[in-house]
Amino acid sequence: AQRVTQPEKLLSVFKGAPVELKCNYSYSGSPELFWYVQYSRQRLQLLLRHISRESIKGFTADLNKGETSFHLKKPFAQEEDSAMYYCARESMYNNNDMRFGAGTRLTVKP
Amino acid sequence: DADVTQTPRNRITKTGKRIMLECSQTKGHDRMYWYRQDPGLGLRLIYYSFDVKDINKGEISDGYSVSRQAQAKFSLSLESAIPNQTALYFCATSASPSNEQFFGPGTRLTVL
Repeated sequence: AQRVTQPEKLLSVFKGAPVELKCNYSYSGSPELFWYVQYSRQRLQLLLRHISRESIKGFTADLNKGETSFHLKKPFAQEEDSAMYYCARESMYNNNDMRFGAGTRLTVKP
Repeated sequence: DADVTQTPRNRITKTGKRIMLECSQTKGHDRMYWYRQDPGLGLRLIYYSFDVKDINKGEISDGYSVSRQAQAKFSLSLESAIPNQTALYFCATSASPSNEQFFGPGTRLTVL
């Protein structure tokens, strides 16, 4: 089965601390990986994707094919980073089927 | 602003009733999706469409049907609603070749 696993449902850090949200995916073909974010009272929106290799709001994510991981990292968390984060993959092998992980709720404490 | 809208935003219905959820978009996107969100399970894809009249099953299509009669509209139907279809339903759109998805505000459906 095509799976995206986010092992942590909840993650809490203090402001200024590093944060890493974990994501592992099942391998098949050439996956495209994404991180989506949902801030309080806002719509789910794209944060970043692996093919763009860019940093958004200080977040980066590196695709590690050997470990089938796409962890999201930020060196210094801010209170406004508190949100629900979803890792997702699109399976080019399986007719562009899109799969999301269960999500991690990040809380950044002052 | 180009947008993705969903109607209704909230719906309470009874077991066995037929329900239709509507999604409209003014983004001009060709691709549309329906997801359901359940606590602890994240978003699961129900159906998706890459063009008018194109329909593809997602991960959990049983008990649902969809219609894409126009590029801007993608409706989701529950022919005979059951309580375990109680969930938050999201519509999303994307424009090929980009696969960034733009989400609607969600419809909270409760089946009693």
